[in-house]
Amino acid sequence: KNQVEQSPQSLIILEGKNCTLQCNYTVSPFSNLRWYKQDTGRGPVSLTIMTFSENTKSNGRYTATLDADTKQSSLHITASQLSDSASYICVVSAADYKLSFGAGTTVTVRA
Amino acid sequence: GAVVSQHPSWVICKSGTSVKIECRSLDFQATTMFWYRQFPKQSLMLMATSNEGSKATYEQGVEKDKFLINHASLTLSTLTVTSAHPEDSSFYICSATPMGGASTDTQYFGPGTRLTVL
Repeated sequence: KNQVEQSPQSLIILEGKNCTLQCNYTVSPFSNLRWYKQDTGRGPVSLTIMTFSENTKSNGRYTATLDADTKQSSLHITASQLSDSASYICVVSAADYKLSFGAGTTVTVRA
Repeated sequence: GAVVSQHPSWVICKSGTSVKIECRSLDFQATTMFWYRQFPKQSLMLMATSNEGSKATYEQGVEKDKFLINHASLTLSTLTVTSAHPEDSSFYICSATPMGGASTDTQYFGPGTRLTVL
């Protein structure tokens, strides 16, 4: 069964600090992995998308990494801002185009 | 570009009534649209996949007679929750895939619709 597990479930960080979110998956055959940011009461917005051959992808202060061998990905947020408070969702696409969603990590940035 | 809108953004209705939610791709034509449901502190759950001009494909456990999906054009899909009950209260999100891409190669999500059934 294709699964995507994210950790931690939630975290609180101070403004300006960095944090790293984890995503482990068992989706096979793998097609791509995406990280989305979802503000409360809003739809998800794409941050990064990585295919099998890509190890890292950046989007501003967000940097995603992918290790396709160990089936792990991380999302690093640098110099966090209050607007980074949101849920971050890891989504893995299988070769048959089915998407598997992680439960998300809720990030709270405090001043 | 690639904006998806939903209407309404929130709706409150009485138990037993029907509610229609619209999903529109504003600046592109969508081959496929998807409907998701999200309960508090949980991830998105795919309800159905809809292709323009054909019947929607529902995920296991989703009642097709309760959640009616119409995808009449390449820019509009509607989800009608029929005879709504309090347990149908949830956050409903649609997404759309532009024409020319793989079926789920790029999904653009709408802002969601909060449904509360009293």
